[in-house]
Amino acid sequence: DTAVSQTPKYLVTQMGNDKSIKCEQNLGHDTMYWYKQDSKKFLKIMFSYNNKELIINETVPNRFSPKSPDKAHLNLHINSLELGDSAVYFCASSQDPPGSSGANVLTFGAGSRLTVL
Amino acid sequence: AQKVTQAQTEISVVEKEDVTLDCVYETRDTTYYLFWYKQPPSGELVFLIRRNSFDEQNEISGRYSWNFQKSTSSFNFTITASQVVDSAVYFCALSSQNTDKLIFGTGTRLQVFP
Repeated sequence: DTAVSQTPKYLVTQMGNDKSIKCEQNLGHDTMYWYKQDSKKFLKIMFSYNNKELIINETVPNRFSPKSPDKAHLNLHINSLELGDSAVYFCASSQDPPGSSGANVLTFGAGSRLTVL
Repeated sequence: AQKVTQAQTEISVVEKEDVTLDCVYETRDTTYYLFWYKQPPSGELVFLIRRNSFDEQNEISGRYSWNFQKSTSSFNFTITASQVVDSAVYFCALSSQNTDKLIFGTGTRLQVFP
């Protein structure tokens, strides 16, 4: 039973399209994240939600819109896809919120590889 | 500014060799946390360890050990008697009291050959 699951695992699409990536965690964690890993393996945080509330928004273009319908789900919608959006997007969760002593002990999903043509 | 440097881009060793992955960090905060994450070829990142800035005691977990040295701002990771299954990209990361987000280094790719 996967702790943090993301769908789809692979996504190939044309520039200008809109796409979504879904994430669900069954760990009972209150905090969820989206990270982007580029082609050079560089990892950077995009968003963090704690109990459905946006905590971190890391200067991501507003074409990216996270949505957290409940604390077990954090979806990522991307409008008007660009070539530079090609990357692996990781969802993660943690038991403790940002700023707490237990923060950033993350359980990651398997990643969603987005290719924009 | 917060920064994590992993100068070793790639390391190759033969099974049973010991290997140390270097990590140097920069922060002006007095309370901070250091992490190591492993990304095996399957792609999923796995948490290995977290240390806070007030605990310089080295830690050992099986074949893994971590050496935290505040004097040199380093948090190095040693794998003893490496195995092929240790092949992965290893990321060092930093967060602090004043910066909630996790700042990752660029990763070190470790290849262990049989």
